[in-house]
Amino acid sequence: GENVEQHPSTLSVQEGDSAVIKCTYSDSASNYFPWYKQELGKGPQLIIDIRSNVGEKKDQRIAVTLNKTAKHFSLHITETQPEDSAVYFCAARDSNSGYALNFGKGTSLLVTP
Amino acid sequence: EAGVAQSPRYKIIEKRQSVAFWCNPISGHATLYWYQQILGQGPKLLIQFQNNGVVDDSQLPKDRFSAERLKGVDSTLKIQPAKLEDSAVYLCASSLDFGSNYGYTFGSGTRLTVV
Repeated sequence: GENVEQHPSTLSVQEGDSAVIKCTYSDSASNYFPWYKQELGKGPQLIIDIRSNVGEKKDQRIAVTLNKTAKHFSLHITETQPEDSAVYFCAARDSNSGYALNFGKGTSLLVTP
Repeated sequence: EAGVAQSPRYKIIEKRQSVAFWCNPISGHATLYWYQQILGQGPKLLIQFQNNGVVDDSQLPKDRFSAERLKGVDSTLKIQPAKLEDSAVYLCASSLDFGSNYGYTFGSGTRLTVV
């Protein structure tokens, strides 16, 4: 099955700086890569996703890049704000079995004022 | 659009007791997932349903966990008997269809503590 590695496990940035979270995946047939934000006591919420036929996608301050050859993808948050503080998870769709999402272990992002 | 509903929000039980969690997915979503999220880790798939059929339950500890989605809508996940290591948040998610490249919508989860 798909194996997703995520780094770093914790990240602290100052307000206004950029934050980058990186993930690698093992299944070369994976074709869908979403990112989720999880706040305390809540379920993960989809913030952006990318499909394998594009290399980059942007949505305001958030962007995701995908390198299929190297099997890695990254989340970029620019002009960070304190409300960006949360745990972020990357995921990749498993091409086997039920095509379910396999998640990384998460990155705890802290944005300090 | 109403989100994914889960209940209860919290549950504390003693080891060897049984517990059940309920999930109501977004209306029209054919695929329903149960994930287990241990503190400090990412969600791990337990079972996936397509309508009322099981697509993948390879990671479900079937000696103690069971799940059903009888009418292809609501789902129940049961643990019997519970162990200390079952302490986790149990997340239910739904998506439009099996294999579709759309993200899931997650519920808020049920936090289970086994003492």
